[in-house]
Amino acid sequence: DQQVKQNSPSLSVQEGRISILNCDYTNSMFDYFLWYKKYPAEGPTFLISISSIKDKNEDGRFTVFLNKSAKHLSLHIVPSQPGDSAVYFCAASPHGSSNTGKLIFGQGTTLQVKP
Amino acid sequence: GEEVAQTPKHLVRGEGQKAKLYCAPIKGHSYVFWYQQVLKNEFKFLISFQNENVFDETGMPKERFSAKCLPNSPCSLEIQATKLEDSAVYFCASSQSRDRVDQPQHFGDGTRLSIL
Repeated sequence: DQQVKQNSPSLSVQEGRISILNCDYTNSMFDYFLWYKKYPAEGPTFLISISSIKDKNEDGRFTVFLNKSAKHLSLHIVPSQPGDSAVYFCAASPHGSSNTGKLIFGQGTTLQVKP
Repeated sequence: GEEVAQTPKHLVRGEGQKAKLYCAPIKGHSYVFWYQQVLKNEFKFLISFQNENVFDETGMPKERFSAKCLPNSPCSLEIQATKLEDSAVYFCASSQSRDRVDQPQHFGDGTRLSIL
């Protein structure tokens, strides 16, 4: 049962343009969501998070939007830079008694930013 | 330390042998998590600790897998009688809390376990 889904395995954008990465979830009881970036042979690096009580969080070039009614979140990167080329993982943290801290990850989306 | 340190980076074992992986969490972080990533797919949660106590082990295979976090020692994940299907990258993460959006988990670079 895939509770967090990233339906686009890959995305290619031109440098300077906006990158939009999408994530869908099925469990309405997730407490908060996170985005991680991963380079080959390295661990995931935390990018940005959003609480389930908010609908937007911004940090520099990165903005995460949460649409609870659609059970959908997206990560916007603007402007995109070649160094942003990596695999991006969406993750969710369960709520309440199920919140033991474990993260549930999507399958990842490979972003390529072309110079 | 300021980052999660995992050793070794790569571990090769013959099928049936034992494998032991280590993780030193960030200093001051009370929670340690282990995840398994097979074939670049999503991360599968294995087990978490609050200091030296097991907090959630719902993802741990019932047999062959065990983990510890002892005081003043790196945490460890041990696999007895390894199988080909155990080949994966094992990631360790640590955090100051388990449920605060502003205190996320920080990951190490993983240990690639290859079972031949």
